[in-house]
Amino acid sequence: DVKVTQSSRYLVKRTGEKVFLECVQDMDHENMFWYRQDPGLGLRLIYFSYDVKMKEKGDIPEGYSVSREKKERFSLILESASTNQTSMYLCASSSEMDPLNSNQPQHFGDGTRLSIL
Amino acid sequence: QKEVEQNSGPLSVPEGAIASLNCTYSDRVSQSFFWYRQYSGKSPELIMSIYSNGDKEDGRFTAQLNKASQYVSLLIRDSQPSDSATYLCAVNPRLWMDSSYKLIFGSGTRLLVRP
Repeated sequence: DVKVTQSSRYLVKRTGEKVFLECVQDMDHENMFWYRQDPGLGLRLIYFSYDVKMKEKGDIPEGYSVSREKKERFSLILESASTNQTSMYLCASSSEMDPLNSNQPQHFGDGTRLSIL
Repeated sequence: QKEVEQNSGPLSVPEGAIASLNCTYSDRVSQSFFWYRQYSGKSPELIMSIYSNGDKEDGRFTAQLNKASQYVSLLIRDSQPSDSATYLCAVNPRLWMDSSYKLIFGSGTRLLVRP
């Protein structure tokens, strides 16, 4: 079974703090993703990475950065936390497309519920 | 127009009935389709994937894909109260381009199975 582990289930930080959310997967997946999920807005992609040290902006990258120094680990960084970044953050991973060129599903961690006060 | 559309619900069905969840998508070249279940306060869990037109069955779940009409559906037979959750449809928007790794998620349909 795929295991995606997020470092914290709940996190409370203060406005202006630098916040690190960590995600580790144990299936040697090439692709990793960070989403946030808010009521009424669904899942929104923040950043993704398809290889070590490679990153691509998603739909809402403003105020965030990421780091992928090792294949199994993908970190999301809130440079200066603000109250509008209070949300559920979800990390996901997926493997490369299969030989039939079908995209593989994404597997999610348990999520981190982040509150910025 | 949203890229992936789902009725937000709630869809309410009695226990033992068939629940039918629908999803439409706008990108004609989409190749891969997935259904996720998400319980309140939890993360999405993969239920089904489907890549070819037609039906794919897995236990009580059947995914149906019609690429010509650009819809994908999920049927849940013999619905149980434990099936009450939000069901997310996810579509790979395009192959062999920058977004080929990405999935576009619908907002989800909330299913309520009444005992």
